[in-house]
Amino acid sequence: EVQLVESGGGLVQAGGSLRLSCAASGFTFSSYWMTWVRRAPGKGLEWVANIEQDGSNKYYVDSVKGRFTISRDNAKNSLYLQMNSLRAEDTAVYYCARGLFGCAGGICDDYWGQGTLVTVSS
Amino acid sequence: QSVLTQPPSMSAAPGQKVTISCSGSSSNIGNSYVSWYQQLPGTAPKLLIYENDKRPSGIPDRFSGSKSGTSATLGITGLQTGDEADYYCGTWDSSLSAGVFGGGTKLTVL
Repeated sequence: EVQLVESGGGLVQAGGSLRLSCAASGFTFSSYWMTWVRRAPGKGLEWVANIEQDGSNKYYVDSVKGRFTISRDNAKNSLYLQMNSLRAEDTAVYYCARGLFGCAGGICDDYWGQGTLVTVSS
Repeated sequence: QSVLTQPPSMSAAPGQKVTISCSGSSSNIGNSYVSWYQQLPGTAPKLLIYENDKRPSGIPDRFSGSKSGTSATLGITGLQTGDEADYYCGTWDSSLSAGVFGGGTKLTVL
């Protein structure tokens, strides 16, 4: 059974840092693109970043470029999101998601974790 | 302001059909595949449609997708109360080199 379990969320002051983790199981982690998506309170989904299978290519939404870093450890079946210089507007539930194998394009993520809440106090 | 435009809310009666639109541009919908996601209250998003019109295994054929030019549509037939959720379109934007979602459509089945 495919499982994605996020951790590392919590309350942090503006300007602080957090590292989110996503533990994957039930599939060959190293064969899939992985993505972070967030949903702020009262708002819609926002795509944050994704990373290629071997970590060679990474993409970010403009609002987090230079502050967030996506990474992965295929030996540990884990995905990470290092978040620095946090702002109040980064407050959201953060989800990790697995890219659908063989998806020809677009953003198609077929399995999602339950999310971890990040709250940035100003 | 989302890159992709969806109606904020829609409503329909049980058993009816609804279509949710998603409008973009040549750098996103016009140049890439569209996916649709359902997010029930308090749960993680769920992939309903990918590559414009394909359904992952386990998604009933009440859900359908289409794309034309720079717009896409999600259709839901035989509406059920359990379909009350937020629906999002998503795609890749080649100008931004990033994924983008629509603002979401809150569907009420009454």
